Amino acid sequence: AQRVTQPEKLLSVFKGAPVELKCNYSYSGSPELFWYVQYSRQRLQLLLRHISRESIKGFTADLNKGETSFHLKKPFAQEEDSAMYYCAHNYGGSQGNLIFGKGTKLSVKP
Amino acid sequence: ETGVTQSPTHLIKTRGQQVTLRCSSQSGHNTVSWYQQALGQGPQFIFQYYREEENGRGNFPPRFSGLQFPNYSSELNVNALELDDSALYLCASSQGQTNTGELFFGEGSRLTVL
Repeated sequence: AQRVTQPEKLLSVFKGAPVELKCNYSYSGSPELFWYVQYSRQRLQLLLRHISRESIKGFTADLNKGETSFHLKKPFAQEEDSAMYYCAHNYGGSQGNLIFGKGTKLSVKP
Repeated sequence: ETGVTQSPTHLIKTRGQQVTLRCSSQSGHNTVSWYQQALGQGPQFIFQYYREEENGRGNFPPRFSGLQFPNYSSELNVNALELDDSALYLCASSQGQTNTGELFFGEGSRLTVL
């Protein structure tokens, strides 16, 4: 079965420290991977997608097919980055559904 | 631009009852997906509707059913409620049948089954 694994439920860092949120997927084909974020009292929203190879709010994520990983990174964490982060994989093709990981809560301390 | 809206925001039902949750998609979107999010878990795909037809279904029993209307709004119906159906139900809209990954989520309907 297709699976997305986020091994950390909670990640706590100090402001200015680097942050890496881990995501591993199980899929033998070409994956479509995304990071979604939910800030406090806000709805779930797209942060970035691997196909765009973009940096959003200082975050980047690189697809590593060899390690089947798509870790989210930011060199200097800010307090406003505190949120729930979900890694998601779209394997559905025409069905287009997303498989989400369980999420990692990032807490950035002042 | 109007975002995704869901109703009701909270509701309480008892085992065996039926529930209908509603969703209005974002303006310009013709595809609606429903997700169940249990406490401490990520959203889990229930099904997707495109132009009033079911366009993919996750691992949920037939007592989970849905509809999409000509204006692209949608309903999720759950029959014979079980305690494990207690969860946040999220609706998400997108443009197009093949999901490129950007889903626009509503705030959810929190269902408690007693």
